Amino acid sequence: RKEVEQDPGPFNVPEGATVAFNCTYSNSASQSFFWYRQDCRKEPKLLMSVYSSGNEDGRFTAQLNRASQYISLLIRDSKLSDSATYLCVVATPGGTSYGKLTFGQGTILTVHP
Amino acid sequence: DAGITQSPRHKVTETGTPVTLRCHQTENHRYMYWYRQDPGHGLRLIHYSYGVKDTDKGEVSDGYSVSRSKTEDFLLTLESATSSQTSVYFCAISGDRGSPLHFGNGTRLTVT
Repeated sequence: RKEVEQDPGPFNVPEGATVAFNCTYSNSASQSFFWYRQDCRKEPKLLMSVYSSGNEDGRFTAQLNRASQYISLLIRDSKLSDSATYLCVVATPGGTSYGKLTFGQGTILTVHP
Repeated sequence: DAGITQSPRHKVTETGTPVTLRCHQTENHRYMYWYRQDPGHGLRLIHYSYGVKDTDKGEVSDGYSVSRSKTEDFLLTLESATSSQTSVYFCAISGDRGSPLHFGNGTRLTVT
């Protein structure tokens, strides 16, 4: 089983739709969670951190479910500009000096008119 | 945006030649990382640094070396480039363990 798994999609949705992505992780010791977005041929950019209580930033809502070991990202009222690849990132404390950050393979979202 | 610059942005080189990629940050962050991104593999950690002259291997370190002589600079060297090292290379920085990373805009390397 991969440490971090995402549905690769692609998700094709019309403008205005609500879309949700899930990401599962295998290490129960994982402590920090993030969602990044990556546009084609660009660097990943932090979209939001995911907190235990859940958090919202405008049209974006992130949730963490520790019992089932997954995080989710909900996008409401999708815009054309939301088209991108969304990466799930999980940070796990470990023997290394930096803690281990593991990236999911990404979920492709295409929003069409 | 975090002050992080990668150079060069694009490079084409021949098999067997040495190549050095540079990452420069102005954020005074302790942690710096080199990743490569390939279709079907996502982002994979090559090497990272947790301070000046303090570096360690990531999951795909074979064929790569790094150096960090100053807080702001982290160099990635391919001693003898191979075609399997054709990839997009991203540098990233973070201020603390487990903190989110901020990425540079990448170097697209082609080894012919």
